[in-house]
Amino acid sequence: GAVVSQHPSRVICKSGTSVKIECRSLDFQATTMFWYRQFPKKSLMLMATSNEGSKATYEQGVEKDKFLINHASLTLSTLTVTSAHPEDSSFYICSAPRGFADNEQFFGPGTRLTVL
Amino acid sequence: AQKITQTQPGMFVQEKEAVTLDCTYDTSDPSYGLFWYKQPSSGEMIFLIYQGSYDQQNATEGRYSLNFQKARKSANLVISASQLGDSAMYFCAMREGMNSGGYQKVTFGIGTKLQVIP
Repeated sequence: GAVVSQHPSRVICKSGTSVKIECRSLDFQATTMFWYRQFPKKSLMLMATSNEGSKATYEQGVEKDKFLINHASLTLSTLTVTSAHPEDSSFYICSAPRGFADNEQFFGPGTRLTVL
Repeated sequence: AQKITQTQPGMFVQEKEAVTLDCTYDTSDPSYGLFWYKQPSSGEMIFLIYQGSYDQQNATEGRYSLNFQKARKSANLVISASQLGDSAMYFCAMREGMNSGGYQKVTFGIGTKLQVIP
């Protein structure tokens, strides 16, 4: 199957700093990518839809200025958590559909963010 | 209203036995897709099986089958011959608006934790 990578897999940062998480589609082009957040033992909550060449679409309740999304190319989307606080600690997962006919969304392995 | 409902927070199954994980969904869109994903403790989401709303037959993928009952809006996952490696969280998910063009977001249920007992 198609491969989606995320970097870093784990990050620990101090409160107030910014953290950038990368999501790459390794063997296909993704004009759209999705960013999810998962709290411990909870479901995946969609944060935003990342669109190549245009602004991201954020879900209700997600702060655009806090979670900056940039879809720089057809294979790369980045999520930057700005001025991170301990409550931003979570598991962040990206996904990308490979094509309109593809029933599967390919998920990255996730990034575990811990804000001290 | 919840779009995806998984009512079993945890399930136990004996190794080599079959187990059914429940999922009901809510949508008014005639065109939708239903997914099951497995999430082991490592965190990665592993795609298991897909059922389209217009598919006439229940989807099957190896030991996984999806019991699709459209009128009841249920999409239960059946795992046959359970293995110890099947212990994980299982998420049911739905994508609506399959005919509206573009990529539609996927909504996830809260998951069921399956533990396979030796």
